[in-house]
Amino acid sequence: EPEVTQTPSHQVTQMGQEVILRCVPISNHLYFYWYRQILGQKVEFLVSFYNNEISEKSEIFDDQFSVERPDGSNFTLKIRSTKLEDSAMYFCASWAPSGGAKTRSTDTQYFGPGTRLTVL
Amino acid sequence: AQSVTQPDIHITVSEGASLELRCNYSYGATPYLFWYVQSPGQGLQLLLKYFSGDTLVQGIKGFEAEFKRSQSSFNLRKPSVHWSDAAEYFCAVVHWTGGFKTIFGAGTRLFVKA
Repeated sequence: EPEVTQTPSHQVTQMGQEVILRCVPISNHLYFYWYRQILGQKVEFLVSFYNNEISEKSEIFDDQFSVERPDGSNFTLKIRSTKLEDSAMYFCASWAPSGGAKTRSTDTQYFGPGTRLTVL
Repeated sequence: AQSVTQPDIHITVSEGASLELRCNYSYGATPYLFWYVQSPGQGLQLLLKYFSGDTLVQGIKGFEAEFKRSQSSFNLRKPSVHWSDAAEYFCAVVHWTGGFKTIFGAGTRLFVKA
C-alpha cells in the first residue's frame, strides 16, 4: 500500500521563526495538498498544488505561507514567521486521477500521518 | 457552498451496542463522501468511501455507511462497538474543482463505556 510520509512528526519553534514542513507524496501522484487541524477542531484545507503551481488556496493560506516542490519527490510547506495560532497538526495529502487524465475518478486522496507544530 | 454537518459533537455508547454517527452534506452535484477515523494525536485513517453505485458501502473494522440522496445524508454505522473504536470520526465530502479538495465535518467524538 503506497503511503504519504511527513517529517518531522513534531516540530517545536519560537514565535517569529520560520519553519518548513516536509512531505513525500506518493510517487506517481499529480496533486498535492496541505491541510491543518487546530487541536480539537476539524481538518481545514489550506492549499492544493498541481503542475508546479498553486491551484487553489483557502483564506487561511496568507502571505506567511508558501509551498514548493523543490525536487521530484518532496513537497514542502513553509511558514515564514510563525504565530502562536499556527500551532496545529499539518497534514499533507496527494492524489492522482486514474489514467492520468483530469477527470473524476474513484481514486482516493491519501493523507500523511501529520506534523504537529507547536509555536511557543 | 459545499459543507458537511455532523450534528453530534460527542456520543457515548456501551461496548457491544450498535452505533450510528450522523452526517449531512451540502453539495450541488453527486458527492464523493468519506468517513475517516482519528485516534488522539494520530493521523487520519480512511474507513470507507462512496462515489456511486450501491448506496450501502462497507468499510474497514466492521463499519458501513448508507448514502441517502433524498436526505443528503451519509450516516456511519456499526452493529457492535468495541472499546478500541473510541476515537474522533470525521465525515467528509470531496469538492471537485479539477482536483480533489476534501471538506471535513467538525467531527464526532465517540466514547465507549464498559
